[in-house]
Amino acid sequence: QSALTQPPSVSGSPGQSVTISCTGTASAIGSYNRVSWYQQPPGTAPKLIIYEVSNRPSGVPDRFSGSKSGYTASLTISGLQAEDEADYYCSSYTSSATWVFGGGTKVTVV
Amino acid sequence: EAQLLESGGGLGQPGGSLRLSCAASGFTFSAYAMTWVRQAPGQGLEWVSGISGSGVTTHYADSVKGRFTVSRDNSKSTLYLQMNTVRVDDTAVYFCVKHRSAVVGDPFDIWGQGTMVSVSS
Repeated sequence: QSALTQPPSVSGSPGQSVTISCTGTASAIGSYNRVSWYQQPPGTAPKLIIYEVSNRPSGVPDRFSGSKSGYTASLTISGLQAEDEADYYCSSYTSSATWVFGGGTKVTVV
Repeated sequence: EAQLLESGGGLGQPGGSLRLSCAASGFTFSAYAMTWVRQAPGQGLEWVSGISGSGVTTHYADSVKGRFTVSRDNSKSTLYLQMNTVRVDDTAVYFCVKHRSAVVGDPFDIWGQGTMVSVSS
């Protein structure tokens, strides 16, 4: 049950786009399209922003988009806003019938 | 509106036991799988255990297998996590999370606010 690999941090200016990668293995990300992304501002519970690779729950701005290629999933935040500062986590269902998370990426708006 | 409220956290001793509860409201509890996710202080998220909507199927992370037991009482809309033989590295905030369907393999969406578990001698 190895964790998925994310960069520790990314930053961007307001209005710019940033992309967070999430690299897994054949048994996670590679096997299923059950990849989700969560946003966690400091001191709060995580919030689902993308599920099944590229689907947005109701209420999530379309500035957030997801994709997948091979063993790597990606989250792109377009038109970065100050309120987007948070930790972001990817997760994937695995062939062992478990879920695994990435280590998290801190997004800073500079 | 779906809501989840965890309770039962607190201080435990190494080798001891704790039982967490999660009271659900605002949705048909038995129609959805549920999961426990934990977050150690200053660390990332770790999936702990999941249970199907019927309660028949359960899954565990290797780090807790054989020590933790997940269960649910659909008549009370309540999820449980029995934590036995706890260790210092079980110290974390434990989140109760709802899946989007009755199976653990489908994504989870709604999160509770979490309950803190501290294991120390």
